[in-house]
Amino acid sequence: GQSLEQPSEVTAVEGAIVQINCTYQTSGFYGLSWYQQHDGGAPTFLSYNALDGLEETGRFSSFLSRSDSYGYLLLQELQMKDSASYFCAAETGANNLFFGTGTRLTVIP
Amino acid sequence: DVKVTQSSRYLVKRTGEKVFLECVQDMDHENMFWYRQDPGLGLRLIYFSYDVKMKEKGDIPEGYSVSREKKERFSLILESASTNQTSMYLCASSSNLAGNYEQYFGPGTRLTVT
Repeated sequence: GQSLEQPSEVTAVEGAIVQINCTYQTSGFYGLSWYQQHDGGAPTFLSYNALDGLEETGRFSSFLSRSDSYGYLLLQELQMKDSASYFCAAETGANNLFFGTGTRLTVIP
Repeated sequence: DVKVTQSSRYLVKRTGEKVFLECVQDMDHENMFWYRQDPGLGLRLIYFSYDVKMKEKGDIPEGYSVSREKKERFSLILESASTNQTSMYLCASSSNLAGNYEQYFGPGTRLTVT
């Protein structure tokens, strides 16, 4: 079967750096996406990695290693508004995503 | 701005009722998706569609059907609602343009089946 493993909860201090890991096992794999979801809100797209390496977008970076079936989302200079759930999602077919169960990030003062 | 709208934010139905959830997107996207989201389980794909009148089963299609008669509209149908279908239902759309990887989500419909 298919699976994406990510920690269920992470707590970090405002201004710090946090890394959310994701390991995947899927029948097909084109790339890894990350989505953010605030309580009561819709998931919103953060990043996509098709190739190995680091992609940086402002305070957020995402990394992929295809050989290790592993990726992570790195959030720098944490702000209170970053408290949310973060989902990794494997693209298993053209535009078709298989989501992880999500990591709830709590940023504390 | 891409906009995906869903017909209701909250819906309460009785067991055995036929339920229609509607989703409309205004960006001429080819692809549309229906997910359900449950605590601890993440988002699970129910059905998706790559074109008008086309549908494909996702990971959990049992108890659901879909309809896509127009490009902008994708409907999820619960033929006979059951209590285990109480959930948050999220619709999404995406483009086939090269280099596009983003799915755009609607606000969700929280369905309660009693």
